[in-house]
Amino acid sequence: EAGVAQSPRYKIIEKRQSVAFWCNPISGHATLYWYQQILGQGPKLLIQFQNNGVVDDSQLPKDRFSAERLKGVDSTLKIQPAKLEDSAVYLCASSRSGTVNEQFFGPGTRLTVL
Amino acid sequence: QKEVEQNSGPLSVPEGAIASLNCTYSDRGSQSFFWYRQYSGKSPELIMFIYSNGDKEDGRFTAQLNKASQYVSLLIRDSQPSDSATYLCAVVVSRTGNQFYFGTGTSLTVIP
Repeated sequence: EAGVAQSPRYKIIEKRQSVAFWCNPISGHATLYWYQQILGQGPKLLIQFQNNGVVDDSQLPKDRFSAERLKGVDSTLKIQPAKLEDSAVYLCASSRSGTVNEQFFGPGTRLTVL
Repeated sequence: QKEVEQNSGPLSVPEGAIASLNCTYSDRGSQSFFWYRQYSGKSPELIMFIYSNGDKEDGRFTAQLNKASQYVSLLIRDSQPSDSATYLCAVVVSRTGNQFYFGTGTSLTVIP
């Protein structure tokens, strides 16, 4: 079974630029999560999808962050415009259905904002 | 108040010893608890989950849940240098609609 795929693995941008991350979950997994992990901290949930609907986006900074999962499979997370404090690893995870099931994480995208 | 709290450590134990990692949570209604391991520069991976009060054992790992005191712990027996990592406690918080919260993690070093 293929794991969660993410791209790119690394990205360096200047502040006020925009950036997009892509995630392809494990086949058949209905729930997809995007997390932000700042160095030295635990992952913070940004948004959770169930199929192509948003379950929770309460911690997503909606003035600059957006995410979509149009066909209920892969997903993109966008930041526009980026700030210095957005420097972090962005992790995508998927699970069969809901938060009570094991989440499998992708390798993450390390974003550096200069 | 944070939903999930962990001592960030670092925690150092000699090889072969028992490592004890602790986590407290704020929502008394929480029902699902997870321990993830994260090696430096890698993604978290699930070690164990526990839903019921008491102990749950899986190989060298034992998760302990005490809902009355609102804490969950992870014991690692016969610690190995390969266990050196950050251990993340995670809780599904029912009060916030089953949101998933991670603690900040405890860094463990097993000294050969």
